[in-house]
Amino acid sequence: AQSVTQPDIHITVSEGASLELRCNYSYGATPYLFWYVQSPGQGLQLLLKYFSGDTLVQGIKGFEAGFKRSQSSFNLRKPSVHWSDAAEYFCAVGTATSGTYKYIFGTGTRLKVLA
Amino acid sequence: GAGVSQSPRYKVAKRGQDVALRCDPISGHVSLFWYQQALGQGPEFLTYFQNEAQLDKSGLPSDRFFAERPEGSVSTLKIQRTQQEDSAVYLCASSIGGEGSVGYTFGSGTRLTVV
Repeated sequence: AQSVTQPDIHITVSEGASLELRCNYSYGATPYLFWYVQSPGQGLQLLLKYFSGDTLVQGIKGFEAGFKRSQSSFNLRKPSVHWSDAAEYFCAVGTATSGTYKYIFGTGTRLKVLA
Repeated sequence: GAGVSQSPRYKVAKRGQDVALRCDPISGHVSLFWYQQALGQGPEFLTYFQNEAQLDKSGLPSDRFFAERPEGSVSTLKIQRTQQEDSAVYLCASSIGGEGSVGYTFGSGTRLTVV
């Protein structure tokens, strides 16, 4: 069965430090992969997506993610974190079943940024 | 409109009451999705519409949940005889076509609290 695992529930980093959020997926075919960010009381905003081609994808707000098929991973990175990046981050895999394209989300990683 | 609009933002219902949650997708978007996000969890798929057709309702947790999109634009998620376990944020998302690689646009959600 398809699934997404985000092993870190909480991560705390200092402002200006680098960031890596882990995501592992289980999916039989070539996956479509997404990272979304959710600020408190807000909906989900798409940061970036992967569906084919280059294994490093660039997103908004300075984020990037690396796709590694051999490790079934799609980790999110940012070289220098800003205080405004504090939020919850969700990894998702897109699945197509019987004509429906839907997402399976991980449980999220809450990022705290120290000044 | 410019984004996906959901109303109300917050809803408190007494156990046993019926509620109706509204989603106004981006104009022209063919696909509309409802997700349920329990506290501390990632969103989980409820149902999918392509225009006015409900193509997948496999995620609806019980027959108390009902969704419609009669004219292929605005959608309503109705929950009858609400129970405490229905407390969650209900997210609506839309996409321009049925192909998911472009990613969804999510609304800000309706937070339902059943007391």
